Amino acid sequence: DAMVIQNPRYQVTQFGKPVTLSCSQTLNHNVMYWYQQKSSQAPKLLFHYYDKDFNNEADTPDNFQSRRPNTSFCFLDIRSPGLGDAAMYLCATSSRNSQYFGPGTRLLVL
Amino acid sequence: KQEVTQIPAALSVPEGENLVLNCSFTDSAIYNLQWFRQDPGKGLTSLLLIQSSQREQTSGRLNASLDKSSGRSTLYIAASQPGDSATYLCAPPSQTGGFKTIFGAGTRLFVKA
Repeated sequence: DAMVIQNPRYQVTQFGKPVTLSCSQTLNHNVMYWYQQKSSQAPKLLFHYYDKDFNNEADTPDNFQSRRPNTSFCFLDIRSPGLGDAAMYLCATSSRNSQYFGPGTRLLVL
Repeated sequence: KQEVTQIPAALSVPEGENLVLNCSFTDSAIYNLQWFRQDPGKGLTSLLLIQSSQREQTSGRLNASLDKSSGRSTLYIAASQPGDSATYLCAPPSQTGGFKTIFGAGTRLFVKA
């Protein structure tokens, strides 16, 4: 089945230790997104790609970076995670009309 | 800048009741609006997508309506079941012609058996 896959589902890292979250899609969609969602809050857009065009939200911390090496894969790099970065990270794709989400990666920072 | 408000923030109903979830947005120049469901600790599942040319969209017991002129959308759930317990999020585009969406904080629904 075509889908959005996120790995790992749970990630534990130490304060300040770089971490990379992965997302892949079999939908062949041009647009991919990374969202951060904290408990009981709306998903907050960090960045999105249209093909290889990268679009950073103005309030996304510099600590967060992203790579999209090809249509299928997109990575979220957190260079120096702080306790405040503990959250669910959601990857999504879009066909312009509709968004499709992966199951998310829960990040815990110790 | 698009802002989205969902009312109520939380709702608890007995099984079998019909209910309405409300969503309002400030920028009515949208081309579609999507409703999602999120179970605790999980990703978002798309429920319904309404195009700007449509007034309603139905899927099973769910019916979503869109009134662009007033900046409102509603999600109607008929004959609610305990399995409907989840958070429901409304998501219009953040800007005309763009690829970004803005999410409301959601309505947390609990259906009691």
